[in-house]
Amino acid sequence: DAGVTQSPTHLIKTRGQQVTLRCSPKSGHDTVSWYQQALGQGPQFIFQYYEEEERQRGNFPDRFSGHQFPNYSSELNVNALLLGDSALYLCASSFSVAGGADTQYFGPGTRLTVL
Amino acid sequence: AQSVTQLDSHVSVSEGTPVLLRCNYSSSYSPSLFWYVQHPNKGLQLLLKYTSAATLVKGINGFEAEFKKSETSFHLTKPSAHMSDAAEYFCVVSDSGNTGKLIFGQGTTLQVKP
Repeated sequence: DAGVTQSPTHLIKTRGQQVTLRCSPKSGHDTVSWYQQALGQGPQFIFQYYEEEERQRGNFPDRFSGHQFPNYSSELNVNALLLGDSALYLCASSFSVAGGADTQYFGPGTRLTVL
Repeated sequence: AQSVTQLDSHVSVSEGTPVLLRCNYSSSYSPSLFWYVQHPNKGLQLLLKYTSAATLVKGINGFEAEFKKSETSFHLTKPSAHMSDAAEYFCVVSDSGNTGKLIFGQGTTLQVKP
């Protein structure tokens, strides 16, 4: 049973460019959450997707957007990259249950470097 | 609003000695609490979770944590440290509502000396 997978592993971009990160959830999971982890910090919640819609959003600008596909996989898009967007981007999948979400399982992350 | 505070940014122990990583939480309701571990250049691995069942929670690799409501604490312990335990540890609380978004502490770096 494959766990959460993310691609690419590493990415280098320059300021002003756009980037797309991809995530495939654990088998049987229907919910994908994205987190940003800056160096030396704990992860920060970006947003969560369920049933192909953004269900909740953290304190991130509109430059950060996402998408969920019918097979539950997800993309994170970041436009107009800033140096401060350099971070490890983590995807977590879970199964939504009545009244709440189940435990989140994380992928290995995508390391984004903005020059 | 929910939050967690990890009381030590860095903990150093000798191999074979006990490990204690401290975490206090703030929540207006009965929270779900987690400990995740992150090895260098790796993703996050779930160690254990508390969801209002038993207050003493056993996790993987010999770790356990005790939920103490009166002290608003959820400290992580292990009787005997192993070299492979060296990593970054995060105490996490799940937000209220149906998304269960995770709110992370700042992390504690565990160093294990031979």
